[in-house]
Amino acid sequence: AQTVTQSQPEMSVQEAETVTLSCTYDTSESDYYLFWYKQPPSRQMILVIRQEAYKQQNATENRFSVNFQKAAKSFSLKISDSQLGDAAMYFCAYRSAEEYGNKLVFGAGTILRVKS
Amino acid sequence: GAVVSQHPSWVICKSGTSVKIECRSLDFQATTMFWYRQFPKQSLMLMATSNEGSKATYEQGVEKDKFLINHASLTLSTLTVTSAHPEDSSFYICSATPGLAVYNEQFFGPGTRLTVL
Repeated sequence: AQTVTQSQPEMSVQEAETVTLSCTYDTSESDYYLFWYKQPPSRQMILVIRQEAYKQQNATENRFSVNFQKAAKSFSLKISDSQLGDAAMYFCAYRSAEEYGNKLVFGAGTILRVKS
Repeated sequence: GAVVSQHPSWVICKSGTSVKIECRSLDFQATTMFWYRQFPKQSLMLMATSNEGSKATYEQGVEKDKFLINHASLTLSTLTVTSAHPEDSSFYICSATPGLAVYNEQFFGPGTRLTVL
């Protein structure tokens, strides 16, 4: 079974600075998807960024980018120019591309606090 | 983008009663819907996967007689918490995915907060 580990329960960043959230995963599959989701105080899950394992190029979405290291099974999220609205709980998630069912496996989450 | 709604957004009930939570995909047909449970400051725990017209697949440790899931149409899935007790108090989130392709994204509902007195 796949597992996702987020080793940072909480992180803090100063507004306008850069922060990196860590995520590692374990799988024996070669084809899969990785995601970062944001859950603000409203608790609505928001997709931040997505990476296909077969793509070597790291995904980017505006101020959000990932560092995907397939061999190391690492998938970190970098948030540049942090804003107060970035404060939320962030979840790293894995989904197999080899089996039907689309189940997401979530990490424990990292609470990100943004200081003004 | 695709929208998933949940109703109600919050509910308070007495111990021993049953509560039904609805999950609807508003602008797409959801072949598969998922139900999650989340405790404060914790991760989402998958409870079950439901496919339209068939029985739900429950995760290990989830009581299927306690948490009844029905996916009667391509836009609606319901979760019924039967004979609710205070320990069932939690935040319940549904998600939905269109089609059968493995690359299809999951879209999340806003969640339902259940409080059992």
